[in-house]
Amino acid sequence: AQKVTQAQTEISVVEKEDVTLVCVYETRDTTYYLFWYKQPPSGELVFLIRRNSFDEQNEISGRYSWNFQKSTSSFNFTITASQVVDSAVYFCALTLYNQGGKLIFGQGTELSVKP
Amino acid sequence: NAGVTQTPKFQVLKTGQSMTLQCAQDMNHEYMSWYRQDPGMGLRLIHYSVGAGITDQGEVPNGYNVSRSTTEDFPLRLLSAAPSQTSVYFCASSPDLVDEQFFGPGTRLTVL
Repeated sequence: AQKVTQAQTEISVVEKEDVTLVCVYETRDTTYYLFWYKQPPSGELVFLIRRNSFDEQNEISGRYSWNFQKSTSSFNFTITASQVVDSAVYFCALTLYNQGGKLIFGQGTELSVKP
Repeated sequence: NAGVTQTPKFQVLKTGQSMTLQCAQDMNHEYMSWYRQDPGMGLRLIHYSVGAGITDQGEVPNGYNVSRSTTEDFPLRLLSAAPSQTSVYFCASSPDLVDEQFFGPGTRLTVL
């Protein structure tokens, strides 16, 4: 069975600190896709990134970066120089190629960035 | 484009009542799905559809019904509401089965 674990339920940092959100996944399939979504206090879900299982390159987008390591089944998300606007719940999710579309979400990590 | 729209935004039901949560998308996406979000549990898939006339069950389908008569609409029906169905419901659509899913704004449902 597939599973996504976000062991950090809540994280609190002070503005400008770097923070890493940890995502660990379980699957026996070789073809799968990993996602990160952001849910700000307003409640909508915002797509951040998609990564397939054959692409282990790290990705950087502004202050956001993602580290995908198949050896540890992890897909971690780092925010550099955090800002108050980064305060949100962040979800990691997994879908398998042969079960396309069925997103399996982690429990979410609530990030609070204080000024 | 309006994207994915959901109605209503809020709803209060009594136990045993039925209702339909509406979901529509104007992006011509084939794939649509319904999730529920409960505290500490992330989002869980209720039902999904890979195209008009095709639906299938997700992780937590009991107590819910869906149909997909058009590409645009994917309503979720609660047959006989129970307090355990108190949740926030999100509809999503995607152009491809493994692509980014676009989520609606959600419906907050309370069952008394």
